[in-house]
Amino acid sequence: SQTIHQWPATLVQPVGSPLSLECTVEGTSNPNLYWYRQAAGRGLQLLFYSVGIGQISSEVPQNLSASRPQDRQFILSSKKLLLSDSGFYLCAWSVLASYYNEQFFGPGTRLTVL
Amino acid sequence: GESVGLHLPTLSVQEGDNSIINCAYSNSASDYFIWYKQESGKGPQFIIDIRSNMDKRQGQRVTVLLNKTVKHLSLQIAATQPGDSAVYFCAENEGYSTLTFGKGTMLLVSP
Repeated sequence: SQTIHQWPATLVQPVGSPLSLECTVEGTSNPNLYWYRQAAGRGLQLLFYSVGIGQISSEVPQNLSASRPQDRQFILSSKKLLLSDSGFYLCAWSVLASYYNEQFFGPGTRLTVL
Repeated sequence: GESVGLHLPTLSVQEGDNSIINCAYSNSASDYFIWYKQESGKGPQFIIDIRSNMDKRQGQRVTVLLNKTVKHLSLQIAATQPGDSAVYFCAENEGYSTLTFGKGTMLLVSP
């Protein structure tokens, strides 16, 4: 069966510091991968998605970037965090090129920027 | 855990009642719909899906109804239990596109 991991689970960072969040998927090959952000009391905002190694699509211009160095690894980064980057970050995967885009989510990373 | 309920519509029910959570979608071309459950501090969990060639689909204690005429989706939970307390999101997509998520509804179940 497929599993998706995210780490760290929680993170407290000062404003202006760098960020690296990691997501890995097991049990599947060539998945679509996604990064979402969820502010408190809000819905899910799609940040980035990837259909393959090195292929990143950005949905929202912002202070963040994403990379996919390996087939089942997706990384969310920032060079300098802003207060507004605080939130709950979720990674998800789906079957590549599936018409019905069922996505499966990881456990999330809670980021607090102080 | 995360306080996801601060700005969300809330449905409060008694244990054992049936719950109905509604979702309006905007894209008339959407042909696939999913309901997710998100417990506090956790990632969304897939509950049930439905394709546009259906108007009803049943799972264990859950039923999803799709009305394409008015672009409305509902999730019915039978015999609601305290463990059903969570935020519920609907999501839609058209073909190979990414999912579009609704704003979510918080379900509170009282014993």
